[in-house]
Amino acid sequence: DAKTTQPTSMDCAEGRAANLPCNHSTISGNEYVYWYRQIHSQGPQYIIHGLKNNETNEMASLIITEDRKSSTLILPHATLRDTAVYYCIVRPGGLYNFNKFYFGSGTKLNVKP
Amino acid sequence: GAVVSQHPSWVICKSGTSVKIECRSLDFQATTMFWYRQFPKQSLMLMATSNEGSKATYEQGVEKDKFLINHASLTLSTLTVTSAHPEDSSFYICSARGTGNVVGEKLFFGSGTQLSVL
Repeated sequence: DAKTTQPTSMDCAEGRAANLPCNHSTISGNEYVYWYRQIHSQGPQYIIHGLKNNETNEMASLIITEDRKSSTLILPHATLRDTAVYYCIVRPGGLYNFNKFYFGSGTKLNVKP
Repeated sequence: GAVVSQHPSWVICKSGTSVKIECRSLDFQATTMFWYRQFPKQSLMLMATSNEGSKATYEQGVEKDKFLINHASLTLSTLTVTSAHPEDSSFYICSARGTGNVVGEKLFFGSGTQLSVL
């Protein structure tokens, strides 16, 4: 059962930052926020995850609100290859509980030239 | 690192036949693997959890006798769709959780298998 809410689709101009929101208002204290993306007819690709603090890696930044009820994935300079469905997932922490890794409907990001 | 290889990428079979899909962790040991199914324009749905050396755990509504899972080694899990029917046509995706503190926090996914049953 997905515990997140995301917009169905978003458009972004190539070269601009893409900001993808996610609502997870029922998140528990030990649950992490994960972001994956799925390019058409491929398996999901890990992007980033976090618990409380904002996180950044070579792909994206993750901004989590102080109350942890929502987060935003930021792709700093979107390219056409970033066109994909982006999934925000909430999962209990630890090395287990991956059977509770539920995918919601995700956000289809369309990057346009 | 942390590559999951899934084979075949696509398969077409006749109704009533069985199809085996392999999922391999190439550069890490996967004590637990997961199998998902995805219908067109829908999200991924978890089918079962595969644990090395033990029986798989199936999600509610998934027929264990129809979707046979074997996880005989730390790097290989197989999903066999038995007596396949057209309604089993779908995109099947495996994922693996590695060992170790860092790798273990993430799931790594295979590239998926498109099954078409005629």
